[in-house]
Amino acid sequence: EDQVTQSPEALRLQEGESSSLNCSYTVSGLRGLFWYRQDPGKGPEFLFTLYSAGEEKEKERLKATLTKKESFLHITAPKPEDSATYLCAVKNYGQNFVFGPGTRLSVLP
Amino acid sequence: ETGVTQSPTHLIKTRGQQVTLRCSSQSGHNTVSWYQQALGQGPQFIFQYYREEENGRGNFPPRFSGLQFPNYSSELNVNALELDDSALYLCASSLGQGSSTDTQYFGPGTRLTVL
Repeated sequence: EDQVTQSPEALRLQEGESSSLNCSYTVSGLRGLFWYRQDPGKGPEFLFTLYSAGEEKEKERLKATLTKKESFLHITAPKPEDSATYLCAVKNYGQNFVFGPGTRLSVLP
Repeated sequence: ETGVTQSPTHLIKTRGQQVTLRCSSQSGHNTVSWYQQALGQGPQFIFQYYREEENGRGNFPPRFSGLQFPNYSSELNVNALELDDSALYLCASSLGQGSSTDTQYFGPGTRLTVL
C-alpha cells in the first residue's frame, strides 16, 4: 500500500531561521511527487512537482528536492507569511494521489 | 484563466440526510478528483473522473458517488450522512491522462458539518 509520512508534525521558526521539512514515501511506481501549501480552511495551493531522483525545483524562499525514498522542502530565511501547512503527495501509475498528513509551519516575527 | 470553483462554501446537514457538492474545473482541464479532508489530516482520495467516466476510487463506501458532465464540471453526492462525514471536501482538476503534467489544482473546498 502506498504511504506518505511527513516530519516534523509541527515546526516553529523565528523569522530568518532556515529549516527543512521531510516527506518520506513508499509507492508502487512513482509518477510524481507534489508539494502543496494550505492555509487554514482553504484548498491546497500548488508549489512543485518532482518526477525523478536528483531533481530540484525552486520558488522564492522554497526549494524542493527528491531522492528515491524521500523529498525535502527547504525554507530559506522564512517570513511570517510562509506560515501554513505544507502537504506532500505522491501519484502512482494507478492515477491515484496519496497525501501525507502535512507539516504545520509557524514563522514568528 | 478561471480557477477551480466549488459550491456551496459551507453546509450543515443532519445525520441520515443526503448532500450534493459541486465543482467547476479549471479551464481546459478534463479530469476531476474529489478528496475528503478531516481536521488536522491530509486529504483522502475519494474518486476521480476523466471525460465523464470514473477513473479510480479510494477506500470510500458506495454511498459516496459522483458525476462529471460534458463541460467537465462535477458533483459529489453523499447519501445517508454520518457524523464522521463532517470534513472539508476538496475538488481538484488536472489536464488528465496523456498530458505532460499530472499536477492537480484545488478549489477552495466545501466545509460540511453533519449534526
